Order: sequence, then structure tokens, then C-alpha cells
Amino acid sequence: DQQVKQNSPSLSVQEGRISILNCDYTNSMFDYFLWYKKYPAEGPTFLISISSIKDKNEDGRFTVFLNKSAKHLSLHIVPSQPGDSAVYFCAAFEQGAQKLVFGQGTRLTINP
Amino acid sequence: DAEITQSPRHKITETGRQVTLACHQTWNHNNMFWYRQDLGHGLRLIHYSYGVQDTNKGEVSDGYSVSRSNTEDLPLTLESAASSQTSVYFCASSESSKNTEAFFGQGTRLTVV
Repeated sequence: DQQVKQNSPSLSVQEGRISILNCDYTNSMFDYFLWYKKYPAEGPTFLISISSIKDKNEDGRFTVFLNKSAKHLSLHIVPSQPGDSAVYFCAAFEQGAQKLVFGQGTRLTINP
Repeated sequence: DAEITQSPRHKITETGRQVTLACHQTWNHNNMFWYRQDLGHGLRLIHYSYGVQDTNKGEVSDGYSVSRSNTEDLPLTLESAASSQTSVYFCASSESSKNTEAFFGQGTRLTVV
């Protein structure tokens, strides 16, 4: 039972354009969401997060949007750069718990 | 600088052998986690600990065990390695407060032959 789903295994975007990565969740008890970025042979690193009381959080080129009614969040990267090529994981905290539940990941490739 | 380290980085073992993967963090975090990463499944939680002497099962705990005798270490033991346990294993730690991000180690690639 996958509570956090990333339905696109891969995404290819031209350098300079916008990258949009999507994530859906099923557990209404999730109240905090995070995005992690992972390069090959390295551990995941935290990128950006959003609380369920907000619908948008922005940090430089990265913006995360949350639609609670649809149980959907998305990560926007603009403009996309070659260094953004990585696997991106969506993750969520359940209210009161301190363990993260991850999605399957989306491999983003930025083409020059 | 504080960090979280895993060892070994790569391991090949035979079916049926007991294997222990080490995880050591110098963040002084109470929370520690073990995940495995498999294609199509993302990161799945194996075991986790909220402090010394505390351990809990995650979603894929069968065939694995952990122990927490101090704050810094959470070793993961495969009791009798199986080919289905071939995977990349990540250890992570976080502060014991609500909604704080976890910091990950670089991973251990385990192959069971």
C-alpha cells in the first residue's frame, strides 16, 4: 500500500525551462511534506519542505505547491539547470510521527 | 562537522550468511532510521529508533534486526541473507522534534549471491 506516489518514473526537460515533478498521497494524516534530491552513489539530501497549513513554499529556483483537497503536491524548478539532473523523492510525515514515508522517486534529466 | 557514515560502502555476501551494516552519526540525534532503495519502490523503511534501547519495525522489517545501545550507532543485521535483500541501504538520522528533515548517509550497496 503505497501512501506516497510519484507516478512518473522519469522526466526530461530542456535547460532553462521549467521542471514540474508531481506527487500524490493517500494518507490524510500527513501534515508535512518534503522533497529530497539524490545523485548517483550518494545519499538523498533535503531540498525543500511545506507544512499542510500552507499551499506554497519558495526557495530560490525551487517552489513546492500543496493542494490538500486533491492530496497532491508538486515541485517546480525554474529555470532548470544541468546540475538539477538527479532522482527526486517526495516524502511525508504523519501527524505526531517522526518517520518519513517516501515515494518511488522521479529521475529528472536536464538536457543542454 | 557533524556527519553520518555507513560502512561498508559495498558488500557481497552469500545466501544464508549473517551480515551487519554499520551506521554512525555525530549529530547527536535521537532518531535513526534504516531504509532500502529498490527500483520502482523508492525508499522503504526497515527499522527505526527514537532513542537508546528503543527500536521499531518499519514496513519491510522481515529478515532484519537492529539494536540501539548508544546515541551514535544503529547497526542493521540481516539474520540470514537472501537474494531478495540485494539492495542499496541508507541510514538516516534526525532531531527528536516534529517535522525535522532527516540526514542520510551515503549508502551501502549489498549484493547477496
